[in-house]
Amino acid sequence: EAGVTQFPSHSVIEKGQTVTLRCDPISGHDNLYWYRRVMGKEIKFLLHFVKESKQDESGMPNNRFLAERTGGTYSTLKVQPAELEDSGVYFCASSSSGRARHEQFFGPGTRLTVL
Amino acid sequence: RKEVEQDPGPFNVPEGATVAFNCTYSNSASQSFFWYRQDCRKEPKLLMSVYSSGNEDGRFTAQLNRASQYISLLIRDSKLSDSATYLCVVNTGFQKLVFGTGTRLLVSP
Repeated sequence: EAGVTQFPSHSVIEKGQTVTLRCDPISGHDNLYWYRRVMGKEIKFLLHFVKESKQDESGMPNNRFLAERTGGTYSTLKVQPAELEDSGVYFCASSSSGRARHEQFFGPGTRLTVL
Repeated sequence: RKEVEQDPGPFNVPEGATVAFNCTYSNSASQSFFWYRQDCRKEPKLLMSVYSSGNEDGRFTAQLNRASQYISLLIRDSKLSDSATYLCVVNTGFQKLVFGTGTRLLVSP
């Protein structure tokens, strides 16, 4: 069974540009999450989808970040316009429903560098 | 105060040693608990869930003390391949994982 996949693996952009990250969860997982790790800090939650609905977006830093999950399958996270402090590793995770919903499986991450 | 606190280490141990990591969490309403392992520049991988009754998976034993809000991980007979960062992770009840900064383990020959 394929795991969580993310694209691109790396992205280097200039301040003010737009970047879109993509996540494909494990097939059949209704729950999809975005997390971020900035340099020297712990991994922090950004938001949680259940199917196509945003369940919790309390971790989104500001309105420059927009996440979507149309159709309840893959998700995109767009940063527009990017700022220097947005640099970090963006992880996507997914989990199934029911009792196993608490066990989240992570993708390899997208390393974003904003210059 | 961080929601999940861990000693960052590094813990340097020889092969075959037993090593223990501890973690404390501040939210008493937390519902589920995990240890993840993260290799350098890789994603976190679920090592094991942690239950109040304690649980064991091979050389790994995890314990949870809800009264003290304390979680532990014991690794017996350390292998070189155990070298990694071990992340203490807490789910506060809304499926939002809260991570510690991780404890780095280095196992040497």
